[in-house]
Amino acid sequence: DTEVTQTPKHLVMGMTNKKSLKCEQHMGHRAMYWYKQKAKKPPELMFVYSYEKLSINESVPSRFSPECPNSSLLNLHLHALQPEDSALYLCASSRSQLDTEAFFGQGTRLTVV
Amino acid sequence: QQQVKQSPQSLIVQKGGISIINCAYENTAFDYFPWYQQFPGKGPALLIAIRPDVSEKKEGRFTISFNKSAKQFSLHIMDSQPGDSATYFCAAELKAAGNKLTFGGGTRVLVKP
Repeated sequence: DTEVTQTPKHLVMGMTNKKSLKCEQHMGHRAMYWYKQKAKKPPELMFVYSYEKLSINESVPSRFSPECPNSSLLNLHLHALQPEDSALYLCASSRSQLDTEAFFGQGTRLTVV
Repeated sequence: QQQVKQSPQSLIVQKGGISIINCAYENTAFDYFPWYQQFPGKGPALLIAIRPDVSEKKEGRFTISFNKSAKQFSLHIMDSQPGDSATYFCAAELKAAGNKLTFGGGTRVLVKP
């Protein structure tokens, strides 16, 4: 199994809603990542978890709250988002933070209305 | 500050032709240079990668050429096929920074039949 699975595939939420994005991998990877990708732009790193601990936070606003409940799961909790937060949110994993090959999920297309 | 510059932004090539995408980087400490392929609605997938101690790497129809002194690297897609139509991102990685990927701006490749 070389897949990173993200749910949901699409999400529409209001600015006052609370929602969560989920990411799962069963490759035994111990580093997991959240990226944000706007249309026609490259992915931008948001967070890195290494061995279930937050390793990197790229100065992401607090309305985005990551969580790594175990080595296979990564969540991104969303609260009070703005329309400009609409984007494709990508999860990725690698064997470790020192491992160069990252596997990406298909992403969650988020629209904030 | 864009540390990896990618060109062209878009490329149209006839089936069977050669697609060439160029990237230039600024930080000489980068130690890993992957290329990612992304189809619409999908996450990026690692295509091919090179380390700076190698000048060329070939995998099937895909070749990376690396010029360390010029701080440039390029992707050549030989015998381009319509199924190669996608967005290609070059990237650079720095192990000392936790293997954070710095992406180029992307190149949309369209292969016409």
